[in-house]
Amino acid sequence: DIQMTQSPSTLSASVGDRVTITCRASQSIVSWLAWYQQKPGKAPKLLIYKTSNLESGVPSRFSGSGSGTEFTLTISSLRPDDFATYHCQQYSTYPYTFGQGTKLEIK
Amino acid sequence: QVTLKESGPVLLKATETLTLTCTVSGFSLSNARLGVSWIRQPPGKALECLAHIFSNDEKSYSPSLKNRLTISKDTSKSQVVLTMTNMDPVDTATYYCARIPIPTAGTFFDYWGQGALVTVSS
Repeated sequence: DIQMTQSPSTLSASVGDRVTITCRASQSIVSWLAWYQQKPGKAPKLLIYKTSNLESGVPSRFSGSGSGTEFTLTISSLRPDDFATYHCQQYSTYPYTFGQGTKLEIK
Repeated sequence: QVTLKESGPVLLKATETLTLTCTVSGFSLSNARLGVSWIRQPPGKALECLAHIFSNDEKSYSPSLKNRLTISKDTSKSQVVLTMTNMDPVDTATYYCARIPIPTAGTFFDYWGQGALVTVSS
């Protein structure tokens, strides 16, 4: 199975900050990567698919980049609603796998 | 409006069989461009794909759980059913069903159910 490793596991930041979360794959997944946001007690919400494609309705302050084995999710200016856990998911090779999550918390 | 909703038992004993139903609305399970998956999340742990089913009834399973899982759909009832046999306390998790929006573009998930917390006691 492809292992997905996110860093950091926890990120403390303030409203207005620019933050970047990294997701590394144990082998190349080309561009087949999605990002999700999850709030406590809620289901994940799709933010980005195929590395950099913003899902409809997702604010433009979210962006994704990368290829091969290293990918990033960037939030350009944090809003209070952005404090949540973020997951990456590869869908290049079955079984499709998720990272362990990055918790974005208020500093 | 697309919605998915999981239903099933909250508490099971070890060795019992779990049956979960995902009832969907706002789209058809016969739509050639869609699929539905089951995904679980143990407390404090990563999400894990369990099984997928597509409009042509093609199915795929997690290799590590394949022997215990069955996924099926009833298009007339707009339901996708997952059964998992021989449940163990390590299977305690929130189980989600989720929609695959464009299977030909890859298996990611655009709509999710609210989740069903299943606890397995020994």
